[in-house]
Amino acid sequence: QITLKESGPTLVEPAQTLTLTCTFSGFSLTTSGVGVGWIRQSPGRAPEWLVFIYWDDDKRYSPSLKNRLTIIKDTSKNQVVLIMTNMEPVDTGTYYCAHRRKYSNNWDAGFLDYWGQGAPVTVSS
Amino acid sequence: DIHMTQSPSTLSASVGDRVIITCRASQTISNWLAWYQQKPGKAPKLLIYEASSLESGVPSRFSGSGSGTEFTLTISGLQPDDFATYYCQQYNTYPSFGPGTKVDI
Repeated sequence: QITLKESGPTLVEPAQTLTLTCTFSGFSLTTSGVGVGWIRQSPGRAPEWLVFIYWDDDKRYSPSLKNRLTIIKDTSKNQVVLIMTNMEPVDTGTYYCAHRRKYSNNWDAGFLDYWGQGAPVTVSS
Repeated sequence: DIHMTQSPSTLSASVGDRVIITCRASQTISNWLAWYQQKPGKAPKLLIYEASSLESGVPSRFSGSGSGTEFTLTISGLQPDDFATYYCQQYNTYPSFGPGTKVDI
C-alpha cells in the first residue's frame, strides 16, 4: 500500500530556509505518470497546493510561491525534498506531501489520493 | 487563478440527517473537482474525484454531483464518524481548495 511521511524541523527562524523530506513507499517515482505533491495548511485555513514533481523530473510550482520553492527527488531513496526560502511567520502551518493520482496529461493539475501525516512548522524567532 | 467558494461555512446536523454542501468555482472547471474530509490533527482524506466518482473504500452514503461551476457533496444518513470539515478542490488547472465546510453536531 502507498504511504508517505514528512520529516524536518518544527521550528524555523524568520528569513531562514525550510527543508522538508517526504519518504514514501508503495510506488516508484520512476514509473511513467507518477507524481508527488506538497500542500500546506495554515491553522484554521484551507489547504494550499505548493508544487508537483513527476517521474520525468518535470516540476510544476504554484505561481505565487515559485520564486521561493525548490523540489528535488531522490529515486534511490524514494524521497522528495521541498526547499522553501525566506520563511516568514505567515508560513507557519502543517506541510503535507501526497501522491498525485494518475488521471490525465494535464501536469499543472491533479488531485491527491494518499497523504502523509503532515509536518508541523512554526516560523518564529 | 480559479477561486473556490463553499456554503455553508458551518453546518449543524444530527445523526441520520441528509447533508448537502455546495462548492462553486469562479470559472468553469468541467468535472475536475475533488472532495476531501478532514478531521482535527489529521490529513485530508479523498472522498470523491471527477465530481461524482466515489473513491475506493469510501461509504456509499457520500455522493457528488455537478459540472461547470457548481457542485454538491451529499451525505445521505449522517453517521457519528462524519462530523468533520469538508473541502472541495478544483484541478482544472493549478489546484485550489475551497475554504471548507465544518459539519458539527
